[in-house]
Amino acid sequence: DAGVIQSPRHEVTEMGQEVTLRCKPISGHNSLFWYRQTMMRGLELLIYFNNNVPIDDSGMPEDRFSAKMPNASFSTLKIQPSEPRDSAVYFCASSLGGVLEAFFGQGTRLTVV
Amino acid sequence: KQEVTQIPAALSVPEGENLVLNCSFTDSAIYNLQWFRQDPGKGLTSLLLIQSSQREQTSGRLNASLDKSSGRSTLYIAASQPGDSATYLCAVRNQAGTALIFGKGTTLSVSS
Repeated sequence: DAGVIQSPRHEVTEMGQEVTLRCKPISGHNSLFWYRQTMMRGLELLIYFNNNVPIDDSGMPEDRFSAKMPNASFSTLKIQPSEPRDSAVYFCASSLGGVLEAFFGQGTRLTVV
Repeated sequence: KQEVTQIPAALSVPEGENLVLNCSFTDSAIYNLQWFRQDPGKGLTSLLLIQSSQREQTSGRLNASLDKSSGRSTLYIAASQPGDSATYLCAVRNQAGTALIFGKGTTLSVSS
């Protein structure tokens, strides 16, 4: 298996623009997580899906952030409008049943100027 | 609210040393604990997963222990090598079907 696949790897955008990050979990995994990593705050959970249903979105910073999982093999994280403080590395991870080992993608480094 | 702490934030050792990385968590009622490695600019690589009923797990030169009652885990690295240089992250899962909560990591530097 190719592991968790995220795209793009790098994104540079101007403040106010819409940004969409994409994730393909490991085939057969039914739990998917979006995390954000910054130097100051480390890794923070944004949202967690189980069987394509959002279970915990308490980490989503504000209404500018939204996430979807239309099927078991694809998820998106959208920021609209983007702001400089959204600059971070965004990771997607998947696991089986939310109980077993979690595997992470390579991340998307987002820079908002 | 569960909090995970890793001390020290950074550690430098000469090649060949055995070393221990520490992780503590405030709520001992965890489901499992996972150790990761992160190289600069890269994603997280899973190293070891310890279930709450287990005391330790081993993989090669790595050994992770878990003491739930005291809210602590350690990652032991034997005979360290320059290739072990990375940031090591500890994460706990409070209950089945919940997300991992991470510490901020220990950045390890092994000099040759």
